[in-house]
Amino acid sequence: AQKVTQAQTEISVVEKEDVTLDCVYETRDTTYYLFWYKQPPSGELVFLIRRNSFDEQNEISGRYSWNFQKSTSSFNFTITASQVVDSAVYFCALSEAGRGGADGLTFGKGTHLIIQP
Amino acid sequence: NAGVTQTPKFQVLKTGQSMTLQCAQDMNHEYMSWYRQDPGMGLRLIHYSVGAGITDQGEVPNGYNVSRSTTEDFPLRLLSAAPSQTSVYFCASSPFENTGELFFGEGSRLTVL
Repeated sequence: AQKVTQAQTEISVVEKEDVTLDCVYETRDTTYYLFWYKQPPSGELVFLIRRNSFDEQNEISGRYSWNFQKSTSSFNFTITASQVVDSAVYFCALSEAGRGGADGLTFGKGTHLIIQP
Repeated sequence: NAGVTQTPKFQVLKTGQSMTLQCAQDMNHEYMSWYRQDPGMGLRLIHYSVGAGITDQGEVPNGYNVSRSTTEDFPLRLLSAAPSQTSVYFCASSPFENTGELFFGEGSRLTVL
């Protein structure tokens, strides 16, 4: 069965520090997708990134970067020069393409990131 | 662009009452789903649908019913509300070919007393 583990329940850093959110996943499929979602205090879920299992290139988008390593089944998310607006709960999620994605996403329990001014 | 619209945003029920959470999307997505979010539990899949007339159970389906008569609408029914169903509910849709990227509604906060 698929599983996503976000071991960090809560992280608190001071503004401008770099912070990495860890995500470890388990799946038996060879084809799968990994995601990160952001949930700010307002409550909506904001899509950040999708990665398929055949693309291990790291990705950078502004202050955000993602490190995908199949060897360690990890898909970590780094925020560089954090800002107060980055304060949110961040969810890592997994979808197994072998089932057509119809089973939806398996979410981790989330990491609550607090950026202190 | 409306995207995925959920109503109501807030609801308080008494144990045993029934209600329907509405979900509508205007993106012509085939795939729709309902999740519940509980503190410390992340999001868990309740029911999903891969197209009009087709529904299936997710991880936590007990106590909920769904139907999909049109591509646009995917209501979630609580048949006899229980305090354990106090949660935030999210509806999501996705183009079926685009596996996994979900477009979420704003959520519906339900309290069962």
